[in-house]
Amino acid sequence: DAGVIQSPRHEVTEMGQEVTLRCKPISGHNSLFWYRQTMMRGLELLIYFNNNVPIDDSGMPEDRFSAKMPNASFSTLKIQPSEPRDSAVYFCASSPTGGTYNEQFFGPGTRLTVL
Amino acid sequence: SQKIEQNSEALNIQEGKTATLTCNYTNYSPAYLQWYRQDPGRGPVFLLLIRENEKEKRKERLKVTFDTTLKQSLFHITASQPADSATYLCALDENPGANNLFFGTGTRLTVIP
Repeated sequence: DAGVIQSPRHEVTEMGQEVTLRCKPISGHNSLFWYRQTMMRGLELLIYFNNNVPIDDSGMPEDRFSAKMPNASFSTLKIQPSEPRDSAVYFCASSPTGGTYNEQFFGPGTRLTVL
Repeated sequence: SQKIEQNSEALNIQEGKTATLTCNYTNYSPAYLQWYRQDPGRGPVFLLLIRENEKEKRKERLKVTFDTTLKQSLFHITASQPADSATYLCALDENPGANNLFFGTGTRLTVIP
């Protein structure tokens, strides 16, 4: 298995532009997580899905952020409009079941820079 | 408020020694605790999970302890090697039955040859 796939790996954009980050979880995993990592705040959970349904989006910073999971093999995180403070590394992770105790498998991340 | 603290931002040790990393938490009642390793430019990689009713767990040169009274986990790497140099993150579940994790800010370990 190729693991969790994220695209793009790097994104540089200007303030006000729309940014879409993409994630393909590991096949068979039915939980998907979006995280943001910065030096100041560390790794923060933004939102997670079980069986394509959003379960907890309390970590989404504001209405400019939205996430979708139209099917079991694809998810997007969109920022519109983007701001310089959104610059961070965004990770997607998946987990094999919707229950507890399961390890999470992380993708390589997308490094976002908003100028 | 809930908080997860890892003892230091950076830890340097000599090759062959045992590295000990600390994770302390407040205002959580986790059912389990996980440790991850993160290399520069990569996502975290799962290492070990320990449940609340387990005192200790081992995997090769790694050992994790979990003291729910002290609200602390210790992560040990014995016979450390330069290849162990990385950032190590602890993570807790929000509450029993939750599937999401809260991560500490990590400790950057450097093993000096």
